[in-house]
Amino acid sequence: DADVTQTPRNRITKTGKRIMLECSQTKGHDRMYWYRQDPGLGLRLIYYSFDVKDINKGEISDGYSVSRQAQAKFSLSLESAIPNQTALYFCATSDFSGDKNIQYFGAGTRLSVL
Amino acid sequence: SQKIEQNSEALNIQEGKTATLTCNYTNYSPAYLQWYRQDPGRGPVFLLLIRENEKEKRKERLKVTFDTTLKQSLFHITASQPADSATYLCALASGGYNKLIFGAGTRLAVHP
Repeated sequence: DADVTQTPRNRITKTGKRIMLECSQTKGHDRMYWYRQDPGLGLRLIYYSFDVKDINKGEISDGYSVSRQAQAKFSLSLESAIPNQTALYFCATSDFSGDKNIQYFGAGTRLSVL
Repeated sequence: SQKIEQNSEALNIQEGKTATLTCNYTNYSPAYLQWYRQDPGRGPVFLLLIRENEKEKRKERLKVTFDTTLKQSLFHITASQPADSATYLCALASGGYNKLIFGAGTRLAVHP
């Protein structure tokens, strides 16, 4: 089984709908991240969490919210989806051992907002 | 603002040749730099990390250099194979190591 699991893998929704993307990990890492990837723009950080009680905004947090339900679970919500949120979304974890911050990614969720 | 640039054009090379990918950055002094590989439909996978006080790092057929004066890292794949075809991303430590800033990636295509 994958160490970092994202669900769903694909999602099509309509403008104005609320949706949630889920991420769970079995790596035992404290740190979890949500990124979006757009062609030509690379990975951009939406939110990150260093433990259950610590949530931080990233570069592009507007229009998104997150919840860290447990050490192993970190979900991303779009309260009212809009077409420019169509993108590939990735969850990642890291254990920050030795200050390396090596990140382990899930397989991604492809989201289309119509 | 901090900026990372990777060649947006795909790099096409012949099998057996050395592939060289470039990562340039501005307005930044990262403590380390990482390289990831991303295949279509998959998340990035970590390959190598090089620190600011290291000039070169090797792992099997992979070699990374880090020139803090030029603000540039080069990623080399020697004796390239079609299986090396993928997009390669560079990433810099940011925010006191708490975050990574990623480049947009360069797609490498190795032809038989």
